Amino acid sequence: SQELEQSPQSLIVQEGKNLTINCTSSKTLYGLYWYKQKYGEGLIFLMMLQKGGEEKSHEKITAKLDEKKQQSSLHITASQPSHAGIYLCGAAVAGGTSYGKLTFGQGTILTVHP
Amino acid sequence: GAGVSQTPSNKVTEKGKYVELRCDPISGHTALYWYRQSLGQGPEFLIYFQGTGAADDSGLPNDRFFAVRPEGSVSTLKIQRTERGDSAVYLCASSGSNEQFFGPGTRLTVL
Repeated sequence: SQELEQSPQSLIVQEGKNLTINCTSSKTLYGLYWYKQKYGEGLIFLMMLQKGGEEKSHEKITAKLDEKKQQSSLHITASQPSHAGIYLCGAAVAGGTSYGKLTFGQGTILTVHP
Repeated sequence: GAGVSQTPSNKVTEKGKYVELRCDPISGHTALYWYRQSLGQGPEFLIYFQGTGAADDSGLPNDRFFAVRPEGSVSTLKIQRTERGDSAVYLCASSGSNEQFFGPGTRLTVL
């Protein structure tokens, strides 16, 4: 079965600093999803990557999928307290979510100090 | 509606009782997923519907868990003879293409 490993498990940064969260898969990724979750709330969709080498950005958050499609990184530039939360990567098991389910990493807890 | 909704937001029950959790997906989304999330963990897949049928129920932990989607829209997750180990946040998601959108979840506590 597919396994996703996120690193670091937790991260504490000062406001304004850049940071990176990694997600490594044991198998080739057909689709890689990044979500953000606040404690006690549902998952907020951030980005989805499918092609090797693909990179997407939304506001100050950039996600990349490496060429071999086994690792993704999420980079936040000039972090703000509003970026705090749990970041989860999820992998499509086969051929996109229309055909299957997502397997998730354990999450990275981000704290941003003002 | 604008997003995926789930009811109730919180459910406290006693061991051995029956519970039903409801999910209202985004209008027009044919795919619907149920996940379960324990504290400090990522969501774990339970079951996936494409239309009215369960296309993949391999994540259901045992036969106490059952889900239906009779009209291809709203889905209900049913848990019989609840156990303390069933306590978790139950998340529902729907998808119209490749993106998958989640609801706020139902926090189930079994005493």
